[in-house]
Amino acid sequence: EVQLLESGGGLVQSGGSLRLSCAASGFTFRSYGMSWVRQAPGKGLEWVSVISDGGGAAYYAGSVKGRFTISRENSKNTLYLQMNSLGAEDTAVYYCARASGSYRTPLDHWGQGTLVTVSA
Amino acid sequence: EIVLTQSPGTLSLSPGERATLSCRASQSVSSNYLAWYQQKPGQAPRLLIHGASSRATGIPDRFSGSGSGTDFTLTISRLEPEDFAVYYCHQSATSPFTFGQGTNLEIK
Repeated sequence: EVQLLESGGGLVQSGGSLRLSCAASGFTFRSYGMSWVRQAPGKGLEWVSVISDGGGAAYYAGSVKGRFTISRENSKNTLYLQMNSLGAEDTAVYYCARASGSYRTPLDHWGQGTLVTVSA
Repeated sequence: EIVLTQSPGTLSLSPGERATLSCRASQSVSSNYLAWYQQKPGQAPRLLIHGASSRATGIPDRFSGSGSGTDFTLTISRLEPEDFAVYYCHQSATSPFTFGQGTNLEIK
């Protein structure tokens, strides 16, 4: 069974940093693209970033480009999101999601999310 | 950036009725990279449709997707009580990938 478990969320001050992790199990992690998607309280889904299966390609939403870095450690079946210069607009539940194949394929499995709250 | 505009914002229908949800893209999107997701309160999104018209694993056949270019549609043929949720379209053809703002399908 595919499982994705996010961790690392919490309360952080504006301007601070946080690193999210997503532990994957139940599939061959190194063979799939992975994404981060976030959802601010009461709002819709916002795509944040994607990384290819081998980690050689990564892309970002304009709202986080230059502040967030996606990475993966295939030997540990773990996806990361390093978030710097956080602002109130980054407050959201952050989901990690597996692409069904390459990084451009649909997101067929999702974690339950981890909440990031940025205080002023 | 490709902007996806979903309509209507809210759709009020009764169980047994047919639901038609629209997703319009600001520029052409390859059908291969257009998907639909369902999200219920307090839950993660679930993949419904990929490649604009292919049902994901385990999705009932009352859900269908269609469209090409800039206009895509999700249809639910006969609404079941568990179908009332928020629906999002998503394109992964061109970075930055984007979601539509969602359609809230509510019980009338």
